[in-house]
Amino acid sequence: NAGVTQTPKFQVLKTGQSMTLQCAQDMNHEYMSWYRQDPGMGLRLIHYSVGAGITDQGEVPNGYNVSRSTTEDFPLRLLSAAPSQTSVYFCASKGGASDSYEQYFGPGTRLTVT
Amino acid sequence: AQSVTQLDSHVSVSEGTPVLLRCNYSSSYSPSLFWYVQHPNKGLQLLLKYTSAATLVKGINGFEAEFKKSETSFHLTKPSAHMSDAAEYFCVVRIHTGFQKLVFGTGTRLLVSP
Repeated sequence: NAGVTQTPKFQVLKTGQSMTLQCAQDMNHEYMSWYRQDPGMGLRLIHYSVGAGITDQGEVPNGYNVSRSTTEDFPLRLLSAAPSQTSVYFCASKGGASDSYEQYFGPGTRLTVT
Repeated sequence: AQSVTQLDSHVSVSEGTPVLLRCNYSSSYSPSLFWYVQHPNKGLQLLLKYTSAATLVKGINGFEAEFKKSETSFHLTKPSAHMSDAAEYFCVVRIHTGFQKLVFGTGTRLLVSP
């Protein structure tokens, strides 16, 4: 199992550009989510999905879109990048709602918007 | 609202001495609490979790944490620090409604000197 994979590892964008951060998991997990990590703020939930075709907003969804057409993939789209979106983005997956399921995190994508 | 507060942004110890990373939580009902570790430029790894079973929870790499309801604390400890323990540590509470998302503390950076 590769676990949770994210691409790219690093990305630099200019203000106004759009891009998609890719996330995939090969553990057949229903739950997937996107977090951003900013200095001194821990991780904050952007969007999440509880299964293919089902997505919802987290704490900081503005400026981001997601879709979940398959169980494996959960891409995060930045529609028009802004410097405030400079951050490290983590994708995570979990087998189910119960705490008996561990949440697995990907290695992260470091995004800089100039 | 459920939240966690990590009381120290940085903790410095010498190799071989005890480690104490402090976390207080706020929750209306019995919380699920976690400690995650993030090594430099890596993703997050689950160290241990408390889910209302034993109040003393043992995790990986010799870490343990004690849930104290009377003090609303969930401090992370290790008897003897190793150089490889240098990392950032996050105390996390799981929200029990809706998606049951994870709410992260702001993190404590552990520095270990020889």
